[in-house]
Amino acid sequence: NAGVTQTPKFRVLKTGQSMTLLCAQDMNHEYMYWYRQDPGMGLRLIHYSVGEGTTAKGEVPDGYNVSRLKKQNFLLGLESAAPSQTSVYFCASRPSAGGIPPYFGPGTRLTVT
Amino acid sequence: KNQVEQSPQSLIILEGKNCTLQCNYTVSPFSNLRWYKQDTGRGPVSLTIMTFSENTKSNGRYTATLDADTKQSSLHITASQLSDSASYICVVRGGSQGNLIFGKGTKLSVKP
Repeated sequence: NAGVTQTPKFRVLKTGQSMTLLCAQDMNHEYMYWYRQDPGMGLRLIHYSVGEGTTAKGEVPDGYNVSRLKKQNFLLGLESAAPSQTSVYFCASRPSAGGIPPYFGPGTRLTVT
Repeated sequence: KNQVEQSPQSLIILEGKNCTLQCNYTVSPFSNLRWYKQDTGRGPVSLTIMTFSENTKSNGRYTATLDADTKQSSLHITASQLSDSASYICVVRGGSQGNLIFGKGTKLSVKP
């Protein structure tokens, strides 16, 4: 099992550009999450999904959109990147039952200039 | 407000020594508490998870404790190794929506 994978690992964008971050998991997990991690702050939830075709807003959803067209994939989109979105983005997944903690991907480091 | 506070912010110890990291939380209602290890440039990896009724749990050289009355947890690392150098994040699941609330982490450096 590859676990949770994220594409790309690094990206530099100019203000106003758009991009999509891809998260894939091969563990058949129902729940998937997108977090951002900034220096001196705990991870913050951007959006999450409790199953294929469903999405919900987290703590800091503004400026981001998501889609979960397939159970194994969770996409995070930035329509018009801003310097405030410079961050490390982590995807995570977990099964719906059993109280198992989320498995995290390796992260995507995004810089917006 | 639901919060998770960790101390110290950073810590340097010599290889072979023990250390204890602290976590205080104000999350209500409380569901469970997890400790994660995050190596530089990697995603967090779960070390332990404890529910309200559990007051200690071990994972190798890592031992977590939980006092649900005082809303405090600690992570004790025994006989530290260079590979223990990482950030350790305390995460509480709870609140009205059962979300995960992350602490800012303690950055541990183990020196030879």
